[in-house]
Amino acid sequence: GAGVSQSPSNKVTEKGKDVELRCDPISGHTALYWYRQSLGQGLEFLIYFQGNSAPDKSGLPSDRFSAERTGGSVSTLTIQRTQQEDSAVYLCASSLEASSYNEQFFGPGTRLTVL
Amino acid sequence: SQQGEEDPQALSIQEGENATMNCSYKTSINNLQWYRQNSGRGLVHLILIRSNEREKHSGRLRVTLDTSKKSSSLLITASRAADTASYFCATDHDYKLSFGAGTTVTVRA
Repeated sequence: GAGVSQSPSNKVTEKGKDVELRCDPISGHTALYWYRQSLGQGLEFLIYFQGNSAPDKSGLPSDRFSAERTGGSVSTLTIQRTQQEDSAVYLCASSLEASSYNEQFFGPGTRLTVL
Repeated sequence: SQQGEEDPQALSIQEGENATMNCSYKTSINNLQWYRQNSGRGLVHLILIRSNEREKHSGRLRVTLDTSKKSSSLLITASRAADTASYFCATDHDYKLSFGAGTTVTVRA
């Protein structure tokens, strides 16, 4: 079966522009997570969705970052007015449900470069 | 912020040797997961060990967890060139993963 997919695989943008990153989780997985990986900060949690519950946004670094998940499946991470420090690989993961028994499976990531 | 710390930061071994890396963390966890990453892209899930488990095996991988010491270890036996990668431990607290900085393993042919 298909794993987690993300698009685009690479995105280059200019400082100040908005970007949208997309994640398609594994079919049937109710929990979806966003992380980012940068040289300075390593791997950081950003936000997660579990079913129809309100998302846990505790990891979002600023109000320029937002995410939504439509129909309990596909998710879009939006970064407004991008800054150079937003350059990172953005990783999406999904799991059967958010629980201590379930592994999180990661997509290939989107490499974002802000010039 | 990173909760886990891996040790060593880098490891170079000969093919066929065993590789051991350690992970320490600070707060209580639901589970601890180990991942492998090649070329700075997607993370491949290796193994999950729950907080009430002490040891788990999967193929050539052996993971231990000592919650009293807040530490875990990953052992790769009979290493192969294809095991060359970065390895990360991730602690699950409230279903959010907190990653360490990783151990870079190089297996020499």
